[in-house]
Amino acid sequence: SAVISQKPSRDICQRGTSLTIQCQVDSQVTMMFWYRQQPGQSLTLIATANQGSEATYESGFVIDKFPISRPNLTFSTLTVSNMSPEDSSIYLCSVDRNEETQYFGPGTRLLVL
Amino acid sequence: AQKVTQAQTEISVVEKEDVTLDCVYETRDTTYYLFWYKQPPSGELVFLIRRNSFDEQNEISGRYSWNFQKSTSSFNFTITASQVVDSAVYFCALSPYNTDKLIFGTGTRLQVFP
Repeated sequence: SAVISQKPSRDICQRGTSLTIQCQVDSQVTMMFWYRQQPGQSLTLIATANQGSEATYESGFVIDKFPISRPNLTFSTLTVSNMSPEDSSIYLCSVDRNEETQYFGPGTRLLVL
Repeated sequence: AQKVTQAQTEISVVEKEDVTLDCVYETRDTTYYLFWYKQPPSGELVFLIRRNSFDEQNEISGRYSWNFQKSTSSFNFTITASQVVDSAVYFCALSPYNTDKLIFGTGTRLQVFP
């Protein structure tokens, strides 16, 4: 497995602002992923972030709204831009250490007022 | 289309009861992986098991067991002698071979009462 931390663990934000979520892993990993879990819903993949290349976004998610950085093999950030109440969700990062299994961070609970 | 169906939205049991969580998947791939994750109230997603499509052996880990049947495209999860700490949302997921994507079911909320 892997030890994954996320910051912040939770936040309350005003609409129109942006929040950057950090994901830190205890070892180098090639593949990192960002998911969104809307209240009472399942997880939806936002994008895949590989170091040294642009993030690959899933249908329905765009870079302008969810810019992602992957500066090295242990760290990634997801920004939720120009937030609206519909962005209130849990945001989770996950990693795959070439084991064909994704391990998840503790999540960031976001509430947008 | 690739899809995971967890028809049971919520299950309530009393401690020490056995409970089975159903998972049915759809894929045209012959090679794929199936997973179960647990999400307790704290929110983190805990990996429980991975099974590849060529391994239909049932697996047991303590009070947990998994029944994989390709003939019915099912990957069911049984908790024996349930405990209050088992209360969580359980997600089944499918990962097609050679992709990095996890396709999640909608989850089953399990409540175990003392």
